[in-house]
Amino acid sequence: KNEVEQSPQNLTAQEGEFITINCSYSVGISALHWLQQHPGGGIVSLFMLSSGKKKHGRLIATINIQEKHSSLHITASHPRDSAVYICAVRSTNFGNEKLTFGTGTRLTIIP
Amino acid sequence: DSGVTQTPKHLITATGQRVTLRCSPRSGDLSVYWYQQSLDQGLQFLIHYYNGEERAKGNILERFSAQQFPDLHSELNLSSLELGDSALYFCASSGYHLGQGFTGELFFGEGSRLTVL
Repeated sequence: KNEVEQSPQNLTAQEGEFITINCSYSVGISALHWLQQHPGGGIVSLFMLSSGKKKHGRLIATINIQEKHSSLHITASHPRDSAVYICAVRSTNFGNEKLTFGTGTRLTIIP
Repeated sequence: DSGVTQTPKHLITATGQRVTLRCSPRSGDLSVYWYQQSLDQGLQFLIHYYNGEERAKGNILERFSAQQFPDLHSELNLSSLELGDSALYFCASSGYHLGQGFTGELFFGEGSRLTVL
């Protein structure tokens, strides 16, 4: 079992729909990242969370430390949101940082 | 623009060869991370440098090595290349500070796409 599990693996939705991508992890973490990777390959960090909720524009990220679960929500989805969304957890062991990635959720928004 | 610069963007080489990938972090960031993204493995952490010192190793092969120089740029050296080393190699920087831990977001370069033929 992977340390970081994402669901769904693929998601296709109509423009305007509310999108939820889930991430569950099995290790102790110091932070969780949501990343966006566009077809060209570049990776952009969307959020870094250690507790609670963060919002940026139409994107909202939440984390429940007790349940080891995070969600990324996109409101009023748009075709330009089409990308792979990757959850990554940061763990620190004896001062050594390690980032473990989920396998990503491929999101396609249809106009 | 993340402020992280990676070169080259694309590289095609043959098995058995050696290549060097270069990364310049964001101004002021002391931490540099290297990641490999292949089709079958997804994103994998390779190595972390802080202010010139190696801080953590992930799934980095013995044929691979890295270093961070006094000007904070980093190089990832891949030798005795195999077909399976074909991947996107990403560098990222962050404001990690010893004693405080991770203090900021990760900023990724655009990646170096390596093709081994």
